[in-house]
Amino acid sequence: KQEVTQIPAALSVPEGENLVLNCSFTDSAIYNLQWFRQDPGKGLTSLLLIQSSQREQTSGRLNASLDKSSGRSTLYIAASQPGDSATYLCAVEYGNKLVFGAGTILRVKS
Amino acid sequence: NAGVTQTPKFQVLKTGQSMTLQCAQDMNHNSMYWYRQDPGMGLRLIYYSASEGTTDKGEVPNGYNVSRLNKREFSLRLESAAPSQTSVYFCASSEVRQPQHFGDGTRLSIL
Repeated sequence: KQEVTQIPAALSVPEGENLVLNCSFTDSAIYNLQWFRQDPGKGLTSLLLIQSSQREQTSGRLNASLDKSSGRSTLYIAASQPGDSATYLCAVEYGNKLVFGAGTILRVKS
Repeated sequence: NAGVTQTPKFQVLKTGQSMTLQCAQDMNHNSMYWYRQDPGMGLRLIYYSASEGTTDKGEVPNGYNVSRLNKREFSLRLESAAPSQTSVYFCASSEVRQPQHFGDGTRLSIL
């Protein structure tokens, strides 16, 4: 069964800290891996998409890496800000569908 | 800049009632999706439509039906609502291998 796991489930850090969110997946036959952000009461916003042939993608203070052979991805957030507080979801694309992890709830304290 | 629009935003039903959740996208995407999100479980795919005129089951299709009315619209129907279908429902659209764009969700409670 294709499963996606995210660790930790919740994280609280002081403003300015660099942090890493982890995602692991059981089936390495992926098309791509996507990171999303979800604010309370809202839908998901795409942050980064890494194709299966790529190792990493960067957007501003965000950097996502992909190690397909070990079934792992990390999302690195540099110099965290209170506005980064949200739930971060990892999703792996297989065929025509995305399989989601349960998410990491991030709180950045000012 | 509407993107993906879902209606209604909130709904309360009694067990056994039926209803249809509506979704429309204005990005000319071929693929559309319905998910449900439950606490601690992430999003699970109910049904998807790879193109106009086609629909396929996802991970949790039981108790639901869908209609891809045209390229823009993809509706989700609950024929006889059950308390286990209390959830937040999200519609999304995309092109193949591209990021999915999500609506703001429909919060559905079934008593």
